[in-house]
Amino acid sequence: NAGVTQTPKFRVLKTGQSMTLLCAQDMNHEYMYWYRQDPGMGLRLIHYSVGEGTTAKGEVPDGYNVSRLKKQNFLLGLESAAPSQTSVYFCASSHPPGLAFNEQFFGPGTRLTVL
Amino acid sequence: GQNIDQPTEMTATEGAIVQINCTYQTSGFNGLFWYQQHAGEAPTFLSYNVLDGLEEKGRFSSFLSRSKGYSYLLLKELQMKDSASYLCAVRTGGGNKLTFGTGTQLKVEL
Repeated sequence: NAGVTQTPKFRVLKTGQSMTLLCAQDMNHEYMYWYRQDPGMGLRLIHYSVGEGTTAKGEVPDGYNVSRLKKQNFLLGLESAAPSQTSVYFCASSHPPGLAFNEQFFGPGTRLTVL
Repeated sequence: GQNIDQPTEMTATEGAIVQINCTYQTSGFNGLFWYQQHAGEAPTFLSYNVLDGLEEKGRFSSFLSRSKGYSYLLLKELQMKDSASYLCAVRTGGGNKLTFGTGTQLKVEL
């Protein structure tokens, strides 16, 4: 049982390049989330999904796109990377609210630097 | 809007007790979570409060007062491994979305 995994762990991009971050979970969770964490800012929600085929915007969605084609995977895309997107990106998953143990489980993070 | 406040840093002595406070002003409230995050690692779940009162889990306890918009995390018998950032997060609205505070960096000293 791997929990939540993220690939890659590290990446350096040049301004204007594109990339996709992959998140996978093996806990059969309906809900999945993408956050970014910056010094002094805390974790901020980028996009989230409440089920396969559905996505919604979070607090800071601009410059990012997501897809949830399979229940266990949640992809985060950067179409044209900017230095302001330098951050640590965390994926998380959970059961829906109302169920016991509906806390969010986090992946190990992806450290992205945009030059 | 959502506003969650926590102290930025705290220092405590090994074996002692420390209380980390969290105050929140949010539009809607549907539960408060505490997470622990060691440097360079993922946040891990510590506790959850949705009703007023104290929840105890071993050396960790968390308290909630919804009328005051206030919670605290109590850590007893501090150990060096408890040195970490402690994140307060409030769930509001649908989608099980969380709004996080900026975290409290706790340093445990000998």
